[in-house]
Amino acid sequence: AQKVTQAQTEISVVEKEDVTLDCVYETRDTTYYLFWYKQPPSGELVFLIRRNSFDEQNEISGRYSWNFQKSTSSFNFTITASQVVDSAVYFCALSDKYSGAGSYQLTFGKGTKLSVIP
Amino acid sequence: DAEITQSPRHKITETGRQVTLACHQTWNHNNMFWYRQDLGHGLRLIHYSYGVQDTNKGEVSDGYSVSRSNTEDLPLTLESAASSQTSVYFCASSESLGLAGGNTQYFGPGTRLTVL
Repeated sequence: AQKVTQAQTEISVVEKEDVTLDCVYETRDTTYYLFWYKQPPSGELVFLIRRNSFDEQNEISGRYSWNFQKSTSSFNFTITASQVVDSAVYFCALSDKYSGAGSYQLTFGKGTKLSVIP
Repeated sequence: DAEITQSPRHKITETGRQVTLACHQTWNHNNMFWYRQDLGHGLRLIHYSYGVQDTNKGEVSDGYSVSRSNTEDLPLTLESAASSQTSVYFCASSESLGLAGGNTQYFGPGTRLTVL
């Protein structure tokens, strides 16, 4: 069963538009952690944010914001006023007691490719 | 600045050869991980280590091995390379949190391996 679902495979937006990347997760644990990573065309994986399950406050960092809703098991990522440099593949990931092959390993979604058109 | 490096960045090898991919981190992290990234599968965990002399199998460990003789390095060995192991390989590290888990993993730049 897929534990992290990023239903949007690819999204294209015009520069300066806002865009939201969806992430839905599945866990039976009460303590878990959620992450977003960015993979630009150069290929490296860049850490963006980590949230634990006890902190449902939304977070804003510049043009980036994250909406964590336990009621819908979602951890969505919004980029405001998108820029060409935001073009990348974005991965959502879950870490819980039952992850993968051992406790608290990262389970990744399959990623959303965002293209920002100038 | 602390960092995590991988070498080589690109490698082409032939089926049946042994290949070792290096991963070195200067974060002094206890935890280290190897992933492979393939189209349609995202990132999948190969092996991981929680400290020196500790190694564990991940989701897709068949055909791979690791050893941890010091804190800084976790080399990944493909015993007999197969075409199915053509992929991009990422190493990552994180601080240890004991049983609490969930610590942030920081990734190396990746190694693109092609097995012909």
